[in-house]
Amino acid sequence: GAVVSQHPSRVICKSGTSVKIECRSLDFQATTMFWYRQFPKQSLMLMATSNEGSKATYEQGVEKDKFLINHASLTLSTLTVTSAHPEDSSFYICSAPLNFDRGEAFFGQGTRLTVV
Amino acid sequence: GENVEQHPSTLSVQEGDSAVIKCTYSDSASNYFPWYKQELGKRPQLIIDIRSNVGEKKDQRIAVTLNKTAKHFSLHITETQPEDSAVYFCAASGKDSSYKLIFGSGTRLLVRP
Repeated sequence: GAVVSQHPSRVICKSGTSVKIECRSLDFQATTMFWYRQFPKQSLMLMATSNEGSKATYEQGVEKDKFLINHASLTLSTLTVTSAHPEDSSFYICSAPLNFDRGEAFFGQGTRLTVV
Repeated sequence: GENVEQHPSTLSVQEGDSAVIKCTYSDSASNYFPWYKQELGKRPQLIIDIRSNVGEKKDQRIAVTLNKTAKHFSLHITETQPEDSAVYFCAASGKDSSYKLIFGSGTRLLVRP
């Protein structure tokens, strides 16, 4: 099946610093990628939709200035958590639909962010 | 926007018994309903999906049913095994919502040996 590669898998950063998470589609072109956040023992909450060549669309309540999304190519989307705080510690995961007509989505491995 | 509700939040069954997890959705335009299994710290794994043009789909011990009129769909696992223990999520998406997957709250399934 299609492969979505996400890096890093784990990152620990200090409060106030920024962290960049990359999500790559390895064997298909992803014009759209979705970014989710998952707190412990909770569901995956959609944060934003990343669109190649245009601005990302953020879900209600998600700060676009804090969670910067860039989708500069058909195979790469990045999420930058700016000025990270301990409450931003979470599991971040991207997904890309392989085929819009079929609706299937492929997930990256996820990134465990810990802000200390 | 779409809202997906999932029940129960936890489910404990004896090995060999069946497990049923139910979800309801709000957006009648949704037409794709996948089920995911997630183990701790890992990405969700698609275990079965169903589209709105069918009412039931089966894959070995796993089946999914869809009632479009009532806007609910269910996951059925038969002959459960300890390795089925995990968190299961339902989701819904459709063209009108730009194919965003909206997830249910999850069900923690424990299969007791």
